[in-house]
Parts: sequence; C-alpha cells; structure tokens
Amino acid sequence: ETGVTQSPTHLIKTRGQQVTLRCSSQSGHNTVSWYQQALGQGPQFIFQYYREEENGRGNFPPRFSGLQFPNYSSELNVNALELDDSALYLCASSVWDSYNEQFFGPGTRLTVL
Amino acid sequence: GENVEQHPSTLSVQEGDSAVIKCTYSDSASNYFPWYKQELGKGPQLIIDIRSNVGEKKDQRIAVTLNKTAKHFSLHITETQPEDSAVYFCAAAFDQAGTALIFGKGTTLSVSS
Repeated sequence: ETGVTQSPTHLIKTRGQQVTLRCSSQSGHNTVSWYQQALGQGPQFIFQYYREEENGRGNFPPRFSGLQFPNYSSELNVNALELDDSALYLCASSVWDSYNEQFFGPGTRLTVL
Repeated sequence: GENVEQHPSTLSVQEGDSAVIKCTYSDSASNYFPWYKQELGKGPQLIIDIRSNVGEKKDQRIAVTLNKTAKHFSLHITETQPEDSAVYFCAAAFDQAGTALIFGKGTTLSVSS
C-alpha cells in the first residue's frame, strides 16, 4: 500500500510568483485536505476536496486554490506569493464521511523570498 | 471561530515517567478529536483518536480522555521512552465528515534517559 506522497520536497520562489504543489492520495482514499504549517505552529486547514470539488475551506484568501483529479490526486495553487506564505504545506488523504484516520504526506517546504 | 488551545508548549520528563498534554476547544459541535505525533522532517502521524460518544480510550501506553461538557480532552503517555520525544498536536474536527481539523499549537515532549 503506497502512502501519501507530495512533490516537490522543497521549493524557493520570489514574492509575486505563482506555485503549484502536488499530492498523491493513499490507495482507496477519496478525500484530500491541505494544510499550511508555519514554523513552530500547528497545521492550519486550507481546504479539502471530495469528488473533485472543494468541500470546506479555512480562513485563506482566494489566491489559494486547488484541484482534485479523477484518480484522487490533488494540486494546491498559490498565486501572488507573499513572504508569509513561507511554510510547510501538508496534504492528507482519507475516506469521506467516516471519521477515518487522515494520512499525512511529508509535506512541501515553500520558501518565499 | 473555532479554536483549540493546547498546554503545555514544552514538556520534559525522565524516561519511565508519565506525560500529560491538555487541550480545550471552542466549537461545541465538534465530535472527533485526534492526536498526532510529528517527528522532525515528517508529516503528522495519528497516534490515537476519540469520538464524542466515548469518554476514554486506551491503546497500550497511550490514553485519551474527553470531557464534552467542559470541552476538554487530554493525552496521557505512561512509561515514557526516549523515542516518544517529538511534537504532539491535538486537533478537533469542525465538519461532519471529520476531515477538516483545527490543530493546537503543539507540545514539544522531551524524554531523557
């Protein structure tokens, strides 16, 4: 059974640029959630995707957007990057509506200069 | 909005001692409370969870208690070992599917031998 994978591992961008982060769900999981984890903080919920649609969103501006594909993999896109977007971005996959465990990937470390 | 407070932020114990981490949550509708362990360079890993219809759950050296009236839940680790050293996060789900989590700020547990 393959776990949750994320790419790339690390990324450096400059302010104003756009970035796309990718996540492959664990086999059998149909829901993907994205979290932002600033240094020394707990993860903050960005949004989640189920059946290729956004289904729940945290307190993040519209420049954070996402996609979920038919194979349940997902992308997180961030436009007009700001310095405060520097963080570890985590995705987690799970089975919808069953309070099952969310399996987290290792994350993508984004640095905005 | 929804909020989860976690205490203490750091905890140092001797090997073999017990460790207790406490959390409070604000949304009385929350009904799923997972605990995650995060080691350096890795994504969070679920160690135990509890649902609102249960007051206590135990898994070997780890136990969680929930007081829904007071909106408190706690993690108890007995017979701590050096490999228990990590950052621990409590979380509360604020959606019906249990997949959108609000995390506490984390507790850094250090177990010295």
